[in-house]
Amino acid sequence: DQQVKQNSPSLSVQEGRISILNCDYTNSMFDYFLWYKKYPAEGPTFLISISSIKDKNEDGRFTVFLNKSAKHLSLHIVPSQPGDSAVYFCAASGLTGTASKLTFGTGTRLQVTL
Amino acid sequence: NAGVTQTPKFQVLKTGQSMTLQCAQDMNHNSMYWYQQDPGMGLRLIYYSASEGTTDKGEVPNGYNVSRLNKREFSLRLESAAPSQTSVYFCASRAMGGPVGDTQYFGPGTRLTVL
Repeated sequence: DQQVKQNSPSLSVQEGRISILNCDYTNSMFDYFLWYKKYPAEGPTFLISISSIKDKNEDGRFTVFLNKSAKHLSLHIVPSQPGDSAVYFCAASGLTGTASKLTFGTGTRLQVTL
Repeated sequence: NAGVTQTPKFQVLKTGQSMTLQCAQDMNHNSMYWYQQDPGMGLRLIYYSASEGTTDKGEVPNGYNVSRLNKREFSLRLESAAPSQTSVYFCASRAMGGPVGDTQYFGPGTRLTVL
């Protein structure tokens, strides 16, 4: 039972264009959402996050949108750059006791072409 | 400031051997986590420690044990390795609060092969 889903295993986008990565979740108790970026042979690095009380959060070229009614979030990268080529994981958190446990999607591999 | 460090980076074991994966963080975080990542899969939580002195099972704890040695260090032990435990293991620690909320920071991973 996958509570966080990334239905597109891969995405190819031209440099300079917009990349849109999508994520769906099923658990309405999730209240905090994060995107991580992962290069090969490295650990995931935190990219951007959003609380369930917001519908948009922006950080430079990266914007995350949250649609709670649809249980859907998306990451927009504008403009896309070759260095953005990586695997992107969506993660969701619902506070459990004193430790926030993250539930991850399976990832989307983004390739930004010249 | 090294963040989250993990040792070893690579390890090959034979079935039935034991080993301990080490993790340390220098960010003064209270909570630490161990995740497993298999090809085409997301990261799955093995065990976590909300604070020094406490540990709890995650989604896939079978075959593993953990020790929160002190606030900095959180180790993962495989008592009798099996080929199904061939995976990449990531340790993470959590920063509380901040502008949007809590964030977990990850180490570089340990790539384990069990023959």
